[in-house]
Amino acid sequence: EAQVTQNPRYLITVTGKKLTVTCSQNMNHEYMSWYRQDPGLGLRQIYYSMNVEVTDKGDVPEGYKVSRKEKRNFPLILESPSPNQTSLYFCASRTRALNTEAFFGQGTRLTVV
Amino acid sequence: DAKTTQPNSMESNEEEPVHLPCNHSTISGTDYIHWYRQLPSQGPEYVIHGLTSNVNNRMASLAIAEDRKSSTLILHRATLRDAAVYYCILRDAGGTSYGKLTFGQGTILTVHP
Repeated sequence: EAQVTQNPRYLITVTGKKLTVTCSQNMNHEYMSWYRQDPGLGLRQIYYSMNVEVTDKGDVPEGYKVSRKEKRNFPLILESPSPNQTSLYFCASRTRALNTEAFFGQGTRLTVV
Repeated sequence: DAKTTQPNSMESNEEEPVHLPCNHSTISGTDYIHWYRQLPSQGPEYVIHGLTSNVNNRMASLAIAEDRKSSTLILHRATLRDAAVYYCILRDAGGTSYGKLTFGQGTILTVHP
């Protein structure tokens, strides 16, 4: 089954404690991205990756890092989380063709206290 | 990114057709019209997309105006499972956005039994 898998689904952490949210896809997609979703602000792109070792900033990259060492994985790293990074995070993947669908993960609800 | 305008909310009765409108008066010739929906507590899910011609798939139909400045997502027989936020998105086939999905606020669809 084609899917994007995020872990963990829920996470409560403290300010400043480094964390990683993993994202894996089984569709051999070149393009992967991370979004955060906040009430009233909708879904906003954090980072994206066009292929292995190719990443770039989205609309709200501050406070986040990503890496793309393998095609299937695209982890989101918060080196020093702060309360304003409390949000619902989604990973997505698709092929490079622009008229194809994107697949989203189930989401990770992060709370930073 | 070209902007879309959707009603904040719409209501329907179960088993009736639903027409969800979207205005995109600044659409460019290379923009694809994509629709996604987000069910409660889930990631966005692809529904349908088109460029100029009307499109049908197992989930819905997409009717695109001749001047492409508006489109309508048609759910032929709404079910309770169709209650979701529906997003109309213009996907740029060119430029530097690499086909980024820019989500607006969407339309909250409520389906009554």
